[in-house]
Amino acid sequence: NAGVTQTPKFQVLKTGQSMTLQCAQDMNHEYMSWYRQDPGMGLRLIHYSVGAGITDQGEVPNGYNVSRSTTEDFPLRLLSAAPSQTSVYFCASSYRDNEQFFGPGTRLTVL
Amino acid sequence: AQSVTQLDSQVPVFEEAPVELRCNYSSSVSVYLFWYVQYPNQGLQLLLKYLSGSTLVESINGFEAEFNKSQTSFHLRKPSVHISDTAEYFCAVSDPGTASKLTFGTGTRLQVTL
Repeated sequence: NAGVTQTPKFQVLKTGQSMTLQCAQDMNHEYMSWYRQDPGMGLRLIHYSVGAGITDQGEVPNGYNVSRSTTEDFPLRLLSAAPSQTSVYFCASSYRDNEQFFGPGTRLTVL
Repeated sequence: AQSVTQLDSQVPVFEEAPVELRCNYSSSVSVYLFWYVQYPNQGLQLLLKYLSGSTLVESINGFEAEFNKSQTSFHLRKPSVHISDTAEYFCAVSDPGTASKLTFGTGTRLQVTL
């Protein structure tokens, strides 16, 4: 199993551009989440999903959209990138009420 | 809302010395508690977890943590650290039934030197 995969690993955007961060898992996990990691702030939950077709907001959802059309995929969309969205983004998945498995991360810079 | 406090942002320690990384949480209900480790330029890996049962939980590489409900703490300990333990350690909490919604502390950087 590949586990949780994320693409791209690195991305540089200009302010106002849009893009999609990809996340996929091959463990048949129901739960998937997106976090951002900023220095001195730990990880903060952006959006999460408890199954295909079901998503909800986390602590810092503004500026991001998600959808969950399949169990395997959970893309994160930045509609109009801002410098405040410069961060490292982690996707995670879990089987029901258990620990989350994290992907390797995407390092995003918004100029 | 839940919160997690990791009081020490950095902990320097010599190899083979003991270490304790502190974690306190605030929650009025039952919780699940986790310690994750992040090595440089990598994702997070689960180190250990408390879901229920024994309050002392152990990892395969010698770390242990004890859930203390009265003090709302989940401190991480290791009796003898190695250079390879140098990493960032994150404490996290979730409500039972919401494992997809972790609340993280700000992390503790463990620096092990000779």
